[in-house]
Amino acid sequence: RKEVEQDPGPFNVPEGATVAFNCTYSNSASQSFFWYRQDCRKEPKLLMSVYSSGNEDGRFTAQLNRASQYISLLIRDSKLSDSATYLCAVSYNKLVFGAGTILRVKS
Amino acid sequence: GAVVSQHPSRVICKSGTSVKIECRSLDFQATTMFWYRQFPKKSLMLMATSNEGSKATYEQGVEKDKFLINHASLTLSTLTVTSAHPEDSSFYICSARVVSGQESSQPQHFGDGTRLSIL
Repeated sequence: RKEVEQDPGPFNVPEGATVAFNCTYSNSASQSFFWYRQDCRKEPKLLMSVYSSGNEDGRFTAQLNRASQYISLLIRDSKLSDSATYLCAVSYNKLVFGAGTILRVKS
Repeated sequence: GAVVSQHPSRVICKSGTSVKIECRSLDFQATTMFWYRQFPKKSLMLMATSNEGSKATYEQGVEKDKFLINHASLTLSTLTVTSAHPEDSSFYICSARVVSGQESSQPQHFGDGTRLSIL
């Protein structure tokens, strides 16, 4: 089983749609959780950290479920510019990335 | 925010050449930097953890004699791919973490990446 697993997608959604991604992790000792965004052939950029209480940043909401060992990312009112690959990352003694979920927002 | 600079961004060279990639933290000191490799449509794979003033820690399956890491200062780590071959062609990305509080809770900030193509 992979340490961090994501649905690769692609998720094809119209502008304005709400879309959610999940990410599961296998190491129950994981301490920190992040969502990164990666555009084609570019480096990952931090989107947001994920806290136990859940956190929101504009149109983006991240949640953590330690009991079920998954994190989620919700994007509301999708924009064309949201099209990218979304990577979840989980940290215990090192940062481990999922393979990413592709999002395509279309007009 | 924390800025990490990586150079060069693109390298094309012949098989057998050694290639050096630099990773700099521009506005903060990084006692630890990380080197990742990413193949197309695959996740980032941690290759090694670069520690300032000491030897790097390599992940299982990564040849330390093939991928030489030097972290000579608090703002610079280098990765040298020695005698590169076509199978070494990949996207190499470094990252660094601002040292503050519990290290594992601090997000990593990535360089722009280096796309290496070995002919």
